[in-house]
Amino acid sequence: AQSVTQLDSQVPVFEEAPVELRCNYSSSVSVYLFWYVQYPNQGLQLLLKYLSGSTLVKGINGFEAEFNKSQTSFHLRKPSVHISDTAEYFCAGSSNTGKLIFGQGTTLQVKP
Amino acid sequence: DVKVTQSSRYLVKRTGEKVFLECVQDMDHENMFWYRQDPGLGLRLIYFSYDVKMKEKGDIPEGYSVSREKKERFSLILESASTNQTSMYLCASSSPGGSSYEQYFGPGTRLTVT
Repeated sequence: AQSVTQLDSQVPVFEEAPVELRCNYSSSVSVYLFWYVQYPNQGLQLLLKYLSGSTLVKGINGFEAEFNKSQTSFHLRKPSVHISDTAEYFCAGSSNTGKLIFGQGTTLQVKP
Repeated sequence: DVKVTQSSRYLVKRTGEKVFLECVQDMDHENMFWYRQDPGLGLRLIYFSYDVKMKEKGDIPEGYSVSREKKERFSLILESASTNQTSMYLCASSSPGGSSYEQYFGPGTRLTVT
């Protein structure tokens, strides 16, 4: 079955510390992968996407993610977080029908 | 700039009422989607449409129907609202194929059924 799994439901971190949000996908998911961010009371906004080419993908707001085919992972990282990064983050992979399969979401809580 | 709009940000309805949630996109996208979002469950696909008057069931279609009479508009209908349909509803659109699997989202409608 196609699935995307986010391994942490909540990640608390102090401001200016590095963070990693983990995402694994099933091998049956097509290898188009996305990270979206949702700020409180808003819709989802694309952070970055992997389609092909370089396995290190850079996105907005200083985020990056690394596609690892052997580990079927697409972890999101930021070297130094800000209070304004507090939000919910969703990993998603595409199916071959054009639909996206979403993970359960990870709440990033940045503390001062 | 890409834009997906939803008719209401917040909605309160009574059990048994018929509820319409409207979504409009201005990007000439073929594909449109309705999701519901609940804590701990992520986004679950209710229905999607890949063309005018075409629709397909997603993962949780029970209790919902949809309508797509025009390319830019996709409506979600709750025929008889129930309290377990209290949720955040998100609409999205995309173009078929390639990098356009990327979906663009509206701001969401938070529906409360009392």
